[in-house]
Amino acid sequence: QKEVEQNSGPLSVPEGAIASLNCTYSDRGSQSFFWYRQYSGKSPELIMFIYSNGDKEDGRFTAQLNKASQYVSLLIRDSQPSDSATYLCAVNKFGQNFVFGPGTRLSVLP
Amino acid sequence: GAGVSQSPSNKVTEKGKDVELRCDPISGHTALYWYRQSLGQGLEFLIYFQGNSAPDKSGLPSDRFSAERTGGSVSTLTIQRTQQEDSAVYLCASSLHGTEAQYFGPGTRLLVL
Repeated sequence: QKEVEQNSGPLSVPEGAIASLNCTYSDRGSQSFFWYRQYSGKSPELIMFIYSNGDKEDGRFTAQLNKASQYVSLLIRDSQPSDSATYLCAVNKFGQNFVFGPGTRLSVLP
Repeated sequence: GAGVSQSPSNKVTEKGKDVELRCDPISGHTALYWYRQSLGQGLEFLIYFQGNSAPDKSGLPSDRFSAERTGGSVSTLTIQRTQQEDSAVYLCASSLHGTEAQYFGPGTRLLVL
């Protein structure tokens, strides 16, 4: 069983819609959770992090964490073509290395 | 402030040659990570340095790969006797204490002919 799983996609959504990206993890002791965006040919950039159960909002982005279900998601409201990228989920347990998921490719269609 | 920097940005080498890739982390960050990313693939973890602790080398693919971190700052990833399958983007990242977010450098694109 992979430690961090994501649907590889591509996930296609029309412009203006909500894009929902999902991530599951296997280590119940995981404590911090991160979403990165990676454009083709570029390095990953941090979008959001979340440590506690519930929702965390930042502009058009909302991260949702459910530790009981070992599930973290990223919602992108009012999706724009510029949001088209690969989204990486990362999980960390204090004192240990990060574990990255394989990424989900998002395509926002104009 | 300055982000993570890597050099060179591109490197072309011949099969069998040794290469050194450099990473300058964000000042004050104690954790440093190396990853490899082949075209269209995900991040492949290579090695993790945290402060003065022994590095986690569990991701190094073979003994041709090694890395060091001098003075708790700059890191060098060395690939000896390069092979064509080593061609990839090598990414470095740093984190304040290894528990906060990682911040990535721009990467070094390595092409082995």
